[in-house]
Amino acid sequence: GAVVSQHPSRVICKSGTSVKIECRSLDFQATTMFWYRQFPKKSLMLMATSNEGSKATYEQGVEKDKFLINHASLTLSTLTVTSAHPEDSSFYICSARPRDGYQETQYFGPGTRLLVL
Amino acid sequence: KQEVTQIPAALSVPEGENLVLNCSFTDSAIYNLQWFRQDPGKGLTSLLLIQSSQREQTSGRLNASLDKSSGRSTLYIAASQPGDSATYLCAVLPSNQGGKLIFGQGTELSVKP
Repeated sequence: GAVVSQHPSRVICKSGTSVKIECRSLDFQATTMFWYRQFPKKSLMLMATSNEGSKATYEQGVEKDKFLINHASLTLSTLTVTSAHPEDSSFYICSARPRDGYQETQYFGPGTRLLVL
Repeated sequence: KQEVTQIPAALSVPEGENLVLNCSFTDSAIYNLQWFRQDPGKGLTSLLLIQSSQREQTSGRLNASLDKSSGRSTLYIAASQPGDSATYLCAVLPSNQGGKLIFGQGTELSVKP
């Protein structure tokens, strides 16, 4: 149990286009999902916390108009990279915290590799 | 502000060697500390989670220790194998931070056959 999926696993797009990444909890409900970004050989940096039915909370330095987050249901959060540029190329990973779980429990998705040409 | 540091950044060892990866954190107010494994281009696999009240956790050839007062944790890997080659990430869950994990930069481990 406790599986989190991400779609797509890999995407290549042209500069200026928008890309949507989905994060789904497959066998549990998640009131909170987290979005991380990882540069090559670097650590995961938290971008934002997504709460079902409310606005996402962004970390300092993350542009909320650039990275749109929608947590419309208890099993799905989406991250849309708007007007993507080459510097947005990165590995994006989400995690989900079960609705009935302890605060400490998070399950990670397999990640999405974004390449902007 | 909580900061997590991992040393070394990279490590190469021959197969069969025992090794230790280090993780330090600046604020001892944590719920737990977790060690993850990440293969290239892949997501995270949780290896061990140590609650703030615990001193260590073991799983197979892996043993993780936690000294909260000094802000340190170690991951001990016994009898290393080429399949252990990966990046190992340490993360702390600060108290009263809404579940936000703070990650270290990782240690890239290479085990040579």
